[in-house]
Amino acid sequence: EVQLLESGGGLVQPGGSLRLSCVASGFTFSSYAMNWVRQAPGKGLEWVSSISGGGLSTYYADSVKGRFTISRDNSKNTLYLQMTSLRAEDTAVYYCAKVGSSVTTYHAFDLWGQGTMVTVSS
Amino acid sequence: DIQVTQSPSSLAASVGDRVTITCRASQGISISLAWYQQKPGKFPKLLIYDASTLQSGVSSRFSGSGSGTDFTLTISGLQPEDVATYYCQKYNRAPPPFTFGPGTKVDIK
Repeated sequence: EVQLLESGGGLVQPGGSLRLSCVASGFTFSSYAMNWVRQAPGKGLEWVSSISGGGLSTYYADSVKGRFTISRDNSKNTLYLQMTSLRAEDTAVYYCAKVGSSVTTYHAFDLWGQGTMVTVSS
Repeated sequence: DIQVTQSPSSLAASVGDRVTITCRASQGISISLAWYQQKPGKFPKLLIYDASTLQSGVSSRFSGSGSGTDFTLTISGLQPEDVATYYCQKYNRAPPPFTFGPGTKVDIK
């Protein structure tokens, strides 16, 4: 079955760190760029970060640049998001999402995980 | 940076009505635009990509059009299961590479 399964969310204090994971199955993981998208409670979707299929190219939203690091382990079919210096405004459901093309990083997201909740609060 | 706006922010229509949602990019993005449907408590679902290409398995009630800066999503014959929030998204090299619109909430009147 083609799916993405996130884990690693939870409650963390402001200034703390957390690492999210997303395990992929059912497709050739290394052929596709991957993304993290977040959604604060009651708010819209916000793209967070992207990584190319080989892992050599990464991109970040200005809101997380310098604090979050995206990476992937293609041998384990797993995507990661290392989050540091967390703020209250980082509270959200974090989704991993696959691009729909193996040719380019810049494409619509055709497969989404169920999401994992991150709460930043003291 | 390229900004993406949507209108209206919400709407209510009757079952069977034709519904149109508009998305506008602050700079030309060719056809690099997608539409998603998100139901409460669920992850987003891709409906349309490349402005007008229907994603596999998506109902033909949904259609997309436009290029450059102005795009539309049309639901031909609104159904109760279409109640959701709809987001447009641009994707191209111009920074930031991915930007979502603020969303349009669709309800049944």
